[in-house]
Amino acid sequence: QVQLVESGGGVVQPGRSLRLSCVASGFTFRSYGMHWVRQAPRKGLEWVAMISYDGSDKYYADSVKGRFTISRDNSQNTLYLQMNSLRPEDTAVYYCAKDSAPIRVFDSWGQGSLVTVSS
Amino acid sequence: DIVMTQSPDSLAVSLGERATINCKSSHSVLYSSNNKNYLAWYQQKPGQPPKLLIYWASTRESGVPDRFSGSGSGTDFTLTISSLQAEDVAVYYCQQYYNTPLTFGGGTKVEIK
Repeated sequence: QVQLVESGGGVVQPGRSLRLSCVASGFTFRSYGMHWVRQAPRKGLEWVAMISYDGSDKYYADSVKGRFTISRDNSQNTLYLQMNSLRPEDTAVYYCAKDSAPIRVFDSWGQGSLVTVSS
Repeated sequence: DIVMTQSPDSLAVSLGERATINCKSSHSVLYSSNNKNYLAWYQQKPGQPPKLLIYWASTRESGVPDRFSGSGSGTDFTLTISSLQAEDVAVYYCQQYYNTPLTFGGGTKVEIK
């Protein structure tokens, strides 16, 4: 079955950087687009970024554009989110999610990785 | 951006009774070329990631009980739980995938009365 395991979260000071990883298994990773979705404490869901199956297309929410970069390594079945210039409002659980190609819904989710931005 | 607005914010329903959640989009999510509504519903139980329930506004994901149903078109949608079970206590979110940025409603918390 599909498994998505995030790592790399933690506590970081404002303005610093962090990289999240998501290792995928149970499906042909290189054939599917992937997403990052976040959830601030006691808040709703916010889509963050998407990358196409081959990494050629990337899309971002306005709230992270220019600061976050999504990437993937299909040889390692791994999705990444490089987060720079972090702000307190970026504090959230970050989920990686598999795209249900050809439609952009999230049919499998990881358990999430908590990022806390605080001085 | 397409803004998704859910109502109510929360509701309490007796076991076995019907629960109805509404979702309204600021722009139609009906794609005229295929006559499909680009609207999905998710369930999030406490301490868990969300789970896909419904897509194309009314198509149940594999394994989802048939007490869950989706309806609506254009800008107005409804998720109905026909007979609420204890395991249905959760927050429910709608999501549009008509265009990017992909956007979610604010969520509706369903509890047992």
